[in-house]
Formats: sequence, structure tokens, C-alpha cells
Amino acid sequence: QQQVKQSPQSLIVQKGGISIINCAYENTAFDYFPWYQQFPGKGPALLIAIRPDVSEKKEGRFTISFNKSAKQFSLHIMDSQPGDSATYFCAASTIKAAGNKLTFGGGTRVLVKP
Amino acid sequence: EPEVTQTPSHQVTQMGQEVILRCVPISNHLYFYWYRQILGQKVEFLVSFYNNEISEKSEIFDDQFSVERPDGSNFTLKIRSTKLEDSAMYFCASSIRDRVLFGPGTRLTVT
Repeated sequence: QQQVKQSPQSLIVQKGGISIINCAYENTAFDYFPWYQQFPGKGPALLIAIRPDVSEKKEGRFTISFNKSAKQFSLHIMDSQPGDSATYFCAASTIKAAGNKLTFGGGTRVLVKP
Repeated sequence: EPEVTQTPSHQVTQMGQEVILRCVPISNHLYFYWYRQILGQKVEFLVSFYNNEISEKSEIFDDQFSVERPDGSNFTLKIRSTKLEDSAMYFCASSIRDRVLFGPGTRLTVT
């Protein structure tokens, strides 16, 4: 029940195209849903995050869509650029007084072709 | 923007040896974490630390692991007797509350 399932495992998109990555969760206690971007040999970098009280959040070219009833959320990367080529991880957590333990999805390797 | 820093960037050790991985979390953050990532796999939670004690830990974090905040700035992960399967990237992270920010990682190679 703690799992977060992410798809696809890999994605190739042309420059200027839209990259879409999907995640699904089972635990209804999750109340925080971030996306991280990771370049090879680097740590995950927080990209954007959403709480379940909103259905969409946009920051620049990155948008999270959230469907509480379906227990799914997705990341859309608009106008994809070669510099966006990276691995993207969704995560989910229940924020507690003890901290914010993140459960990560399996990752999606995105390649943006020029 | 402040960053989490980690040292060393790469540590090679022999099986059975003890290793200490070091981190300096962001100064005004209250929560500290260790995660690991085996090559090509997802990031896995190990432990969270708050108010000078472990607040949550995963099944991976067994008796071979320990964490410490020896002073006001450092946060360490100790692996007492390393195994081959401990080879991974270890990430330190910190947060004020929800936004968890990660360091660049320490690549641990156990031979």
C-alpha cells in the first residue's frame, strides 16, 4: 500500500514537444506529491509539488495534474528542451510531526531529441 | 539558494569495514534524512531525524546503521560492517517541513 507506481520507464520526445509522466498510489493518507529531477551522478532536485486540495499546479513549463478520486497524478513538461533530458521521479508522503518521509516511484528517463 | 552538502563524494571500502558518511544540512532546517539509491533503481528512504532523535526508519535501516548529529551543523550516517549490497548512492536531505531538499550524494563502493 506504500508503493508509488510510475510510468513510462523511459520516454523520447522531440524538442518543443510535451513530456507526460504518470504516477499512481494506493495509500489515501498521502497528502504531499512532489516531483524530482535527477541528472546522472547528482542528487534529486525538487521540481514542483502539489497538495491534494488542488487539481493542478503550474510552474513555468512544468505542470502537475492531480486526480484524487483516481489516486493518480502526472507531470507535464511543455516545450521540452534538450536540457530537460534527465530522470524524473514522482514521490508521495504523509507529512507528520516526525517529518516528511518520501516514497518514490521507479523513475522515468526522459530524452529530448534536438 | 542554500544547499545540502555531503562528503566524501566517493568512498571505497572493503567488506566488513566501518564507514561514516557526512552531511551538512541547510542551516534553518529541522528535519534530516538519509536515502539511498542502488544504481539504476529508485530512491529509498532509510531514516529521518528530528529533535535529536530518530523519528522514523525503514526496514533497510537495521542495527548496522546509525545516525548522529554530533554538533549543530553536521549529520552523519555510520555503517558498522559494510556488505557488498551496501554499495549505492547515499543522499542526505533536509527540510523545514514539506520541501525536502537533497544533497549531491556519496557514492559508496564496497569491494
